[in-house]
Amino acid sequence: GEQVEQLPSSLIVQEGASVLINCSYTDSASVYFPWYKQEPGKRLQFIIDIRSNMERKQNQRLTLLFDKKTKHLSLHITATQPGDSAIYFCSARTSGGNYKPTFGKGTSLVVHP
Amino acid sequence: AQTIHQWPVAEIKAVGSPLSLGCTIKGKSSPNLYWYWQATGGTLQQLFYSITVGQVESVVQLNLSASRPKDDQFILSTEKLLLSHSGFYLCAWSYWGGADQNTLYFGAGTRLSVL
Repeated sequence: GEQVEQLPSSLIVQEGASVLINCSYTDSASVYFPWYKQEPGKRLQFIIDIRSNMERKQNQRLTLLFDKKTKHLSLHITATQPGDSAIYFCSARTSGGNYKPTFGKGTSLVVHP
Repeated sequence: AQTIHQWPVAEIKAVGSPLSLGCTIKGKSSPNLYWYWQATGGTLQQLFYSITVGQVESVVQLNLSASRPKDDQFILSTEKLLLSHSGFYLCAWSYWGGADQNTLYFGAGTRLSVL
C-alpha cells in the first residue's frame, strides 16, 4: 500500500524564518495531497492541498510544490509566527472511491518569538 | 455549518473494561465517517471508515469495533480494553461525492488512558 514519508520530524526556528517540510510518497496512483495542521490542544485542520495535475499552489504564506516524477512534495512556510507552531501532516490518496488516505508521521514546528 | 462533536473528551479506564466512544456530525447528510487513532508523537492510524448507515469497513485490527447506527453517528467500542489502546481517538468526516470528498474534517478528539 501507499507509504508517505515526511521529513524532518521536527523543526525549531525563530519568528520570521522560512521553513520547508518535505513529503514523499510511493504509490503513483495517488492524485490528491491535502495537508493538515494540529496546533497544541486544537483539532486537526486542513490547510492546503494540491492535485497531481498541478505543480504549485499558494495560500498566503504557504506554498506547496509538487513533483510527480519524483513523487515528492514540499510545503514552504514564509515569515513564520509563533502561531504557526503545530504538527504538520502530509497525506496522499488515490482517486475514485478511496476512503483510506495515508498520512505521514508529522513534522513538529516550533516558532520562538 | 457542519459541526462534529466527539464524546467523551477524556476517559481513564482499567485494562479489561469496556469502552464506547461517540461522534456526531450535524449539518451534513450522508457524510463519509472515519475513526483515527493518534499515538503520542503524532502518528495517525486510520481504524475504520463508513460511507453509509450500517456499513463499516475496518482498516486495521486493533481489537476494536465500530458501528454507524444513524446517518450522523459513529461509535467506536471494545468489550475489553488493552494497555495498547491508550491514545487519542479522532473522528472525521468528508463529503460524499465531488472533489470535496477528499478533505477530512476532524473532531476535537477523545483522550483515552488505559491503566
